[in-house]
Parts: sequence; C-alpha cells; structure tokens
Amino acid sequence: EVQLVESGGGLVQPGGSLRLSCAASGFTFSSYVMTWVRQAPGKGLEWVSFISPDGDKRYHADSVKGRFTISRDNPKNTLYLEMNSLRGEDTAVYYCVRGKVQLDYWGQGALVTVSS
Amino acid sequence: QSALTQPASVSGSPGQSITISCTGSISDIGAYNFVSWFQQHPGKAPKLLISDVRNRPSGVSNRFSGSKSGNTASLTISGLQSEDEADYYCCSYTSINALVFGGGTKLTVL
Repeated sequence: EVQLVESGGGLVQPGGSLRLSCAASGFTFSSYVMTWVRQAPGKGLEWVSFISPDGDKRYHADSVKGRFTISRDNPKNTLYLEMNSLRGEDTAVYYCVRGKVQLDYWGQGALVTVSS
Repeated sequence: QSALTQPASVSGSPGQSITISCTGSISDIGAYNFVSWFQQHPGKAPKLLISDVRNRPSGVSNRFSGSKSGNTASLTISGLQSEDEADYYCCSYTSINALVFGGGTKLTVL
C-alpha cells in the first residue's frame, strides 16, 4: 500500500524557517517524480515544487522561488521541503504527492502557520 | 502563471449529470494532454479522478469522465449521488515546466 506521511509542520514567526519531511513507503520511491502542493485555509490548491526521480532537476513556483528548496534522499525514501523567509501568505496545509502530472497519491498534509 | 478558470459552484439533483469546465491557455491546457481532475471532501486530501484528460485510475467510478477541446477541459459526472458533493479541481502541466490548478468548483447535490 502506498503511503506518504508528512511531518515537520507547526507555528513559525514571519521570516523564520521550517523543514517539512515526507516519508514514503509501498512503492519504489527512487523511480518517481515527487511534488509538493499547498492549500491555504479555505482556499484552493497551489503547486509549490517538484523534483526528478534522481533529484537532479528541481522546479519551484514563482511564489516560493529563492525561498523554498525541494530535495530528496532516495536511500531513506524521504522527500523534503526547506522553507526560509516565511511569510503570512505561506500559511497552508502542505501535501506531499507522488507524480508530476498524474498526482495519484497524496499524504494527509502538514499544517504550516506563519504568525507572530 | 495564472490559475485555470473554473466556475465557483455548480449544482444538480440526484441522478442528473453535470459538467465542470476548466479554461486555460495555449501554454497549458491547449499545449498538452496533461490535464487532471481531483475531488476533495472537507478536511480530506484531494483524490485523483482523471489523469491525462480522460484516463480514470483503477477504483474511480465510470460516472466520472473527462474531455478537452482547445484550451478548455471538462469533467462530467453522470448519475449524481449525494457523496459526489465536494470541491473539484482541475490541473494542467504548463510550458514553463510547472503545474497550474483551477480555483476549484463546489458541487452541491440538491
């Protein structure tokens, strides 16, 4: 059974940093593009970033470019999202998702709240 | 990258069919057959309904179908059921190696 479990969310002050992790199991992690999608409270879905299977290629949305970095550790079956210079508008549930376009399996999400 | 355009809300009675449109541009929906649709119930993670314009993953009811014409994709739900009441999102790959989502459509089953 495919499972994606996010961790690392929480309350952080504006300008602060946080690292999200996503533990993957039930599939060959190193064979898949992985994606982060976020959803602000009461709002729609927003693509954040995706990373190639070998970690060589990374793409980020303009709204987070230069502040967020996606990475992965294939031997540990773990996906990461390093978030710096956090702003109020980054407050959202962050989902770890398998795939690049099909987005077929989603984690339960990790809530990140940016507030003083 | 602007969000894809979806109607904010649609409604239908049980047993009826409804269609949700998703309008993009020649840089996303019009350029690729990489359109997906997701269903999201309150407090839950989104669920993939349709990928690659019209492909249904295993386990998704055949009451859900997708199509595309030009820069607009559509999701049709036939034989509406009360459990179909949810938010629906479209998503497309884009020419700048990114993904773009629609703003979401709230489906009410009357």
